[in-house]
Amino acid sequence: QKEVEQDPGPLSVPEGAIVSLNCTYSNSAFQYFMWYRQYSRKGPELLMYTYSSGNKEDGRFTAQVDKSSKYISLFIRDSQPSDSATYLCAISPWGYNKLIFGAGTRLAVHP
Amino acid sequence: DAGVIQSPRHEVTEMGQEVTLRCKPISGHDYLFWYRQTMMRGLELLIYFNNNVPIDDSGMPEDRFSAKMPNASFSTLKIQPSEPRDSAVYFCASTVGTGDYGYTFGSGTRLTVV
Repeated sequence: QKEVEQDPGPLSVPEGAIVSLNCTYSNSAFQYFMWYRQYSRKGPELLMYTYSSGNKEDGRFTAQVDKSSKYISLFIRDSQPSDSATYLCAISPWGYNKLIFGAGTRLAVHP
Repeated sequence: DAGVIQSPRHEVTEMGQEVTLRCKPISGHDYLFWYRQTMMRGLELLIYFNNNVPIDDSGMPEDRFSAKMPNASFSTLKIQPSEPRDSAVYFCASTVGTGDYGYTFGSGTRLTVV
């Protein structure tokens, strides 16, 4: 079993839709959770990070962590064509600097 | 700051040749990571350094791969001899402290071994 599972998609939605991206993880020692966005032929860039259960909001983006279920989500409201990219979840044990990435979900937002 | 700088952006080489990938981390960052990305396996951590010292190289696939960090502003990843299955995008990333601010990735080196 992989330490982080993420559906690779692809996911295609119309502009303005709410997008839900998800990951599950296997090790309860993981305490640090991040979401990265990767445009085609570019390096991943940090979108959001959190280390506690609950929600964290930043503009149109909301990161949600449920440690009891070992489940993390990223919601994108009012999706835009510019949101078309691959979204990768990443997790790490607390204070241990070694991120493990999910496979990435490819998202396409069409006008 | 110019961010994490990797060179070359693209590399095409013949099987059996030596390949050297280069990385300049962000000034002041004390952690440096080498990742490999393929469609089949996603982003895999190969090795990481803290203050120029290799901490974990358990992801290096085999002895053909080696990495060095001679100083705080430069690292290399070498493959010798290269094989077609090494074809991938290789990313370098850096961060400070325990990574609370996330990693900053370079633009990657797209390696093709023919």
